[in-house]
Amino acid sequence: QVHLVESGGGVVQPGRSLRLSCEASGFTFSSYGIHWFRQAPGKGLEWVAVIFYDGSKKYYVDSVEGRFTISRDNSKNMVSLQMNSLRAEDTALYYCARFNSLSAFDIWGQGTRVTVSS
Amino acid sequence: EIVLTQSPGTLSLSPGERATLSCRASQSVSSNYLAWYQHKPGQAPRLLIYGASSRAAGIPDRFSGSGSGTDFTLTISRLEPEDSAVYYCQRYGGAPFTFGQGTKLEIK
Repeated sequence: QVHLVESGGGVVQPGRSLRLSCEASGFTFSSYGIHWFRQAPGKGLEWVAVIFYDGSKKYYVDSVEGRFTISRDNSKNMVSLQMNSLRAEDTALYYCARFNSLSAFDIWGQGTRVTVSS
Repeated sequence: EIVLTQSPGTLSLSPGERATLSCRASQSVSSNYLAWYQHKPGQAPRLLIYGASSRAAGIPDRFSGSGSGTDFTLTISRLEPEDSAVYYCQRYGGAPFTFGQGTKLEIK
């Protein structure tokens, strides 16, 4: 079965760092781009970052550019999101999702919660 | 950056009725790279429609998408109680992969 499982969320103080992981199973991981999305409390879905299938290209939403870094290890079927200089407005439920060029974001994880608070 | 505006914000309908959800883009969405998702509390978003009108795998034919350019519609016929959710449109032709603000569908 095709799965994505996020981990690494937690409560962190403003200015500190956190590393999220997204582990894949059930499909050829190295063939797909992986994206991170988030949903802040009471808000809608927001795209955060993407890494291409081979790691050759990465893009970020403006609000995290320079603070977040996305990476992948195709040998471990894993994508990571390193989040530095965290702010209160980064508080959200973070999802990873598979991008299928034929059918958009067809597989999503259940999410991992990040709370930035002093 | 293309902005997606969804309407209405909230829709309250009865079982068996039809729901019509709108998504309007500030610029033309290239190659109809427009998708619709269903999102329920505590669950992962679920892909319903891609390419503006193609149903994703396992999605009942009660869900249909239409439109092109800047105006898109998600129609849900014969509403069932489990259709209660927030529905988002999204463009996926390139970064940023923006969403509309969502339409909350309530089944009375």
